[in-house]
Amino acid sequence: GIQVEQSPPDLILQEGANSTLRCNFSDSVNNLQWFHQNPWGQLINLFYIPSGTKQNGRLSATTVATERYSLLYISSSQTTDSGVYFCAVLRSNFGNEKLTFGTGTRLTIIP
Amino acid sequence: DTGVSQDPRHKITKRGQNVTFRCDPISEHNRLYWYRQTLGQGPEFLTYFQNEAQLEKSRLLSDRFSAERPKGSFSTLEIQRTEQGDSAMYLCASSLATSGGTDTQYFGPGTRLTVL
Repeated sequence: GIQVEQSPPDLILQEGANSTLRCNFSDSVNNLQWFHQNPWGQLINLFYIPSGTKQNGRLSATTVATERYSLLYISSSQTTDSGVYFCAVLRSNFGNEKLTFGTGTRLTIIP
Repeated sequence: DTGVSQDPRHKITKRGQNVTFRCDPISEHNRLYWYRQTLGQGPEFLTYFQNEAQLEKSRLLSDRFSAERPKGSFSTLEIQRTEQGDSAMYLCASSLATSGGTDTQYFGPGTRLTVL
């Protein structure tokens, strides 16, 4: 099956700093989503981005499908950005519609 | 649009007991998914439905697990004869399948199961 690797595994930053999270995947994909998992376990959709670049406020994401990676940028970090960020991919194949998740990047923002 | 809901949010049970979880998807969504997440890991796929048809099951879904979506709306996930290894967060997601493309999956808040 498809492999998803995220880096770094842990990131500790001061409030106001910028960060870049990376997601590498082993095969072509039809779907790529970024999620933020809050301390209560809720997975919050950030981006649906199988290719190209999107921005939403302080967050932006870029997926280079031909090179099999995606980047999530967080600017001017706030303490509420703390949590685990997951990248998940889907390779649609004869009805196989499951998302395969990476192991996540744990982001801690220090006031 | 009230989002995906799950019930209960927490369940503590003794080994050997049966448990059942419920998921209510976003109302117009025709696909419904179950995932399991253990501590420190990303969610892992268990099974998914398109309308009432169960289209795929993971090897993680042993014969003690059964999922249903009888009317193509809400779904239940039952675990029989629970084991301590079943302790995890059980996540439900839903999406709207469109022709010619994959779709965004939206997740519920999860049910955290603890087996003593």
